[in-house]
Amino acid sequence: GQQLNQSPQSMFIQEGEDVSMNCTSSSIFNTWLWYKQEPGEGPVLLIALYKAGELTSNGRLTAQFGITRKDSFLNISASIPSDVGIYFCAGGSGGSNYKLTFGKGTLLTVNP
Amino acid sequence: DADVTQTPRNRITKTGKRIMLECSQTKGHDRMYWYRQDPGLGLRLIYYSFDVKDINKGEISDGYSVSRQAQAKFSLSLESAIPNQTALYFCATSDRRGTDTQYFGPGTRLTVL
Repeated sequence: GQQLNQSPQSMFIQEGEDVSMNCTSSSIFNTWLWYKQEPGEGPVLLIALYKAGELTSNGRLTAQFGITRKDSFLNISASIPSDVGIYFCAGGSGGSNYKLTFGKGTLLTVNP
Repeated sequence: DADVTQTPRNRITKTGKRIMLECSQTKGHDRMYWYRQDPGLGLRLIYYSFDVKDINKGEISDGYSVSRQAQAKFSLSLESAIPNQTALYFCATSDRRGTDTQYFGPGTRLTVL
């Protein structure tokens, strides 16, 4: 089946630093989604990407849908303590198969 | 109010017991999903339903069953719980008229002793 490789698995950074994480796949996806999960909560959608090459921002977050459709990255600028959490990427195939394939997540820790 | 709710939020039970986890949504979405989350393994799909009469197995359906009682309700049952079913369980929804985007509930932490 389809698999996503998400890296890094974890990051420990200082407040104010920029963060970058990415997902790659051997399969093509028509949708890339980025979620954040905080302790004790469900994943919350951060950014959704629907077209190859698309670059979308949400506040300090920026994500891009790779031109090959096999990868995506998420950048967080000027990190703050509340950015702590697990970030998941997810790829969707679209069409009649509305299922998502999830990466294993990037655990982000921000040191004040 | 939350669009996707799950009950209970926490449950401790014993091996062999039957357990039901419930999910309700007010988003008006047709599609509903149940996932399991284990540390280091990410989210794995247990079952999904594209409408009330459509139920499909996901990648890890053994030991689980589901019921789609209405468009807004999708419940997950463990007929005879075992310790390796201890995990976080999430319900999610998506709109067939839209994209692949799924919206998640807050989760149920299940512990099987």
